[in-house]
Amino acid sequence: EVQLVQSGAEVKKPGESLKISCKGSGYSFTSYWIGWVRQMPGKGLEWMGIIYPGDSDTRYSPSFQGQVTISADKSISTAYLQWSSLKASDTAMYYCARQHSSWYFDPWGQGTLVTVSS
Amino acid sequence: QSALTQPASVSGSPGQSITISCTGTSSDVGGYNYVSWYQQHPGKAPKLMIYDVSNRPSGVSNRFSGSKSGNTASLTISGLQAEDEADYYCSSYTSSSTLNVFGTGTKVTVL
Repeated sequence: EVQLVQSGAEVKKPGESLKISCKGSGYSFTSYWIGWVRQMPGKGLEWMGIIYPGDSDTRYSPSFQGQVTISADKSISTAYLQWSSLKASDTAMYYCARQHSSWYFDPWGQGTLVTVSS
Repeated sequence: QSALTQPASVSGSPGQSITISCTGTSSDVGGYNYVSWYQQHPGKAPKLMIYDVSNRPSGVSNRFSGSKSGNTASLTISGLQAEDEADYYCSSYTSSSTLNVFGTGTKVTVL
């Protein structure tokens, strides 16, 4: 079974750093792009960016370029999303998903809730 | 790059058919057959329902179908059931620097 399992919920203070993870299994992790999607409370889905674990080629949405860093460690089939200095506005659910060549996402991870509050 | 435009809500009675529209531009929906649809129940991760405009993944009910005309894609749910009550999002590749854009989302209510 193809599966993406994300790390658990996080509660952080403004200014702190954070790295959340997404571990793939059941398929060749290096052969598919992994995307990250933000969903702020009560809001819709926002595409953040993607990484190809095979060579770490990374693309960002302009809205998120410079705000987050996407990386991957293919030796452990894991992709990451990280912040160097969190803001309250980063409070959201973050999903990873396997991206296919015709730009659809399947499957999705279960989501990681990030709460940033002083 | 703005989000694709969807109606905020659509409702129907059990057994009826409903259609959700997703309007973009020639740079996204109209320019590529890379439109997909996702169902999201409260507190759950999105689930792929349609890909490449009209293809259904294995395991998804054939009550769900997709189509496209010009810059507007559509998701039709026939034989509406209580379990179809959820939020639905369209998504498309875009030639802009954004690369991918989601729709604004539609809440489907089964009356």
